[in-house]
Amino acid sequence: AQTVTQSQPEMSVQEAETVTLSCTYDTSESDYYLFWYKQPPSRQMILVIRQEAYKQQNATENRFSVNFQKAAKSFSLKISDSQLGDAAMYFCAYRSNTGKLIFGQGTTLQVKP
Amino acid sequence: GAVVSQHPSWVICKSGTSVKIECRSLDFQATTMFWYRQFPKQSLMLMATSNEGSKATYEQGVEKDKFLINHASLTLSTLTVTSAHPEDSSFYICSADGERNTEAFFGQGTRLTVV
Repeated sequence: AQTVTQSQPEMSVQEAETVTLSCTYDTSESDYYLFWYKQPPSRQMILVIRQEAYKQQNATENRFSVNFQKAAKSFSLKISDSQLGDAAMYFCAYRSNTGKLIFGQGTTLQVKP
Repeated sequence: GAVVSQHPSWVICKSGTSVKIECRSLDFQATTMFWYRQFPKQSLMLMATSNEGSKATYEQGVEKDKFLINHASLTLSTLTVTSAHPEDSSFYICSADGERNTEAFFGQGTRLTVV
């Protein structure tokens, strides 16, 4: 069975600085998708970034980028130029070939002005 | 992007009663929808996979007779919490796969409080 682990329950970053959130996963599948979701206080799940496992190039979406290390089964999220609106809970998620999403425990990100 | 609407956003019900939560895909057809449960400050836990026109597949430990799932059309899945108890109080979220089946779109969630 697949597992996703986020070992940082809480992180803090100064506004305009850069922060990296860690995520590791375990799977025996060779083809899969990885996601980072943001959940603000409204609790609406918002897709931040997506990575296809067969792509070696790291995904980038504006200030958000990932460091995808397939062999190490690591999928970290880097947020550059952090903004107050980035404060939220962030979940790393693995999508199995059945379509199920398996979430990590989540990391609460605080952005200090 | 695809829109998934979940209703109601919040509901309070008395112990022993049943409550139904709807999940609709507004601008696409969803053959598969997923139902999650989330406790405060915790992760989303998959409860069941809802398949249009067939029985839902429940995750281990989820009581199928308590959490009834119906997916009667390509745009609507419902979760009914039967004989609700205070321990059923939680945040319930649905998601539906987009047409490319590579991305999930989430409803707004439903906060259920059983008193």
